[in-house]
Amino acid sequence: EVQLLESGGGLVHPGGSLRLSCAASGFTLSNYAMSWVRQAPGKGLEWVSTISASGASTYFADSVKGRFTISRDSSKNTLYLQMNSLKVEDTALYYCARYNNLDFWGQGTLVTVSS
Amino acid sequence: DIQMTQSPSSLSASVGDRVTITCRASQDISNNLAWFQQKPGKAPKSLIYSASSLQSGVPSKFSGSGSGTDFTLTISSLQPEDFATYYCQQYNRYPCTFGQGTKLEIK
Repeated sequence: EVQLLESGGGLVHPGGSLRLSCAASGFTLSNYAMSWVRQAPGKGLEWVSTISASGASTYFADSVKGRFTISRDSSKNTLYLQMNSLKVEDTALYYCARYNNLDFWGQGTLVTVSS
Repeated sequence: DIQMTQSPSSLSASVGDRVTITCRASQDISNNLAWFQQKPGKAPKSLIYSASSLQSGVPSKFSGSGSGTDFTLTISSLQPEDFATYYCQQYNRYPCTFGQGTKLEIK
């Protein structure tokens, strides 16, 4: 059974950093492109970043480019999102999802950026 | 960036009804379109990929069609569990983009 479990969210001050993790089970993460999608409170879905199956290519929304990095550890079957220079508008529930068509989603981890 | 426009933004329907939600892309995305269902407090669930392919385990009451710039999601014989918010998403070109969502409510 495919499962994705996010962790690492929390409360952080503007300008701070967080690293989100997404532990995958039921499939080999490095065989798939993997994405992060976020949802601000009461708002719609916003794609954040994708890493290709090979890991050679990464893509970012303009809103996070230069501040966020995406990576994975194949030995741990885990996806990461390193978030630096966080802004209040980064406050959201962050989901990881599999493949470019987002066929499986985790339950999300909440990031709150506030002073 | 490719803009995805869903209509309507909200929709009231009754149990047993058939409803259609439309998603329009600002440029040709071939059939690289997915549909998702999200219930309050829950993660989105994939329904349709490649515009018209049903995800495994999704009931056949859900169907998708379209190609290029115009797409539809049709839900037949609405049941109480179908009342949710629906999103389209294009993955033809980065940045991937979502529609603004369609909230389907019980009339």
